[in-house]
Amino acid sequence: EPEVTQTPSHQVTQMGQEVILRCVPISNHLYFYWYRQILGQKVEFLVSFYNNEISEKSEIFDDQFSVERPDGSNFTLKIRSTKLEDSAMYFCASRGAGGLETQYFGPGTRLLVL
Amino acid sequence: ELKVEQNPLFLSMQEGKNYTIYCNYSTTSDRLYWYRQDPGKSLESLFVLLSNGAVKQEGRLMASLDTKARLSTLHITAAVHDLSATYFCAVTSFGNEKLTFGTGTRLTIIP
Repeated sequence: EPEVTQTPSHQVTQMGQEVILRCVPISNHLYFYWYRQILGQKVEFLVSFYNNEISEKSEIFDDQFSVERPDGSNFTLKIRSTKLEDSAMYFCASRGAGGLETQYFGPGTRLLVL
Repeated sequence: ELKVEQNPLFLSMQEGKNYTIYCNYSTTSDRLYWYRQDPGKSLESLFVLLSNGAVKQEGRLMASLDTKARLSTLHITAAVHDLSATYFCAVTSFGNEKLTFGTGTRLTIIP
């Protein structure tokens, strides 16, 4: 069964460093998302991406964040200068073209900023 | 702003018992989802509910939607240990792609 994959599974970084989280969505999906979940809290929307551009972003997704689809398979989230409060699990999700499609989530990248 | 609330937040129940998790949302929504999350793992899609009165069942789980009351329920029948997990409801509002998640219900099934 097709699935969303994410790398790395864990990332430890120093405050102020740049990180890139990578996702490979399900191959025929057209809509892509990033969410994050701070430990013990609910899942929060960051950004949605369609047709090579951001379709919606949350207040969390400030100038330090960017997304890119550099080729036909990868979808990346970059945090330019990490802060302690960026420590969280980051989930990538994708869905197909139909209006009734479910978003399928990847396994997540656990980011720890020291 | 769309708000989604679940209760209870924590639920311990014995094997074999029935229970219901509630999900309330604040504004009209076009789709409601239920996801399961095991500790340290990703979110697994369980159900998507589209219309008033929709009911879906998979094994010991049954989800329903009342759009007039802005309420969805996830009913667990004759609970077994394997159902221990955190359950999230999430909604999308019309013309809006993002999922807004509830607070989650951590379910523990005790033998």
